[in-house]
Amino acid sequence: NAGVTQTPKFQVLKTGQSMTLQCAQDMNHEYMSWYRQDPGMGLRLIHYSVGAGITDQGEVPNGYNVSRSTTEDFPLRLLSAAPSQTSVYFCASSHGVDTQYFGPGTRLTVL
Amino acid sequence: KNQVEQSPQSLIILEGKNCTLQCNYTVSPFSNLRWYKQDTGRGPVSLTIMTFSENTKSNGRYTATLDADTKQSSLHITASQLSDSASYICVVDSGNTGKLIFGQGTTLQVKP
Repeated sequence: NAGVTQTPKFQVLKTGQSMTLQCAQDMNHEYMSWYRQDPGMGLRLIHYSVGAGITDQGEVPNGYNVSRSTTEDFPLRLLSAAPSQTSVYFCASSHGVDTQYFGPGTRLTVL
Repeated sequence: KNQVEQSPQSLIILEGKNCTLQCNYTVSPFSNLRWYKQDTGRGPVSLTIMTFSENTKSNGRYTATLDADTKQSSLHITASQLSDSASYICVVDSGNTGKLIFGQGTTLQVKP
């Protein structure tokens, strides 16, 4: 099993650009989530999904879109990047309330 | 407001020594409490998950305790190793919707 994979590992964007962060898992988990981690703060939930075709907003959803067309994939789209979105983004998956598995993260810088 | 507070913010100990990290939460309702270890530049890795009825859970040299009455948890690390140097994050699950509330973490540095 590859577990949870994220691409790219690093990305630099200019203000106003859009991009998609990719997340995939091969564990057949129904729960998938996106978090951002900023210095001095705990991980904050952006969006989550409890199954294919079902998504919901987390704590900080503004400026981000998600979709869940398959069980395996949960991409995060930045619509118009802003410097405030400079952060490390983590994708995670789990089976119900069991152990949550995190990807290696994507380090995003918006200039 | 649902919050998870951890202390201390950072900690330095000598290799071989024990240490205890604290977590206080004001999350309601409560489903379970988790401790994660996050190495620098990596994603968090789960250490323990405890439900309301569990008072203690161990994972090797890591032992977590939970007092649901006082809403406090601790993570005890025994005989620390250099590889224990990491950030330790306390996380509370408020229900079955996948929404977890993360503490800011305690950064532990183990020195030889």
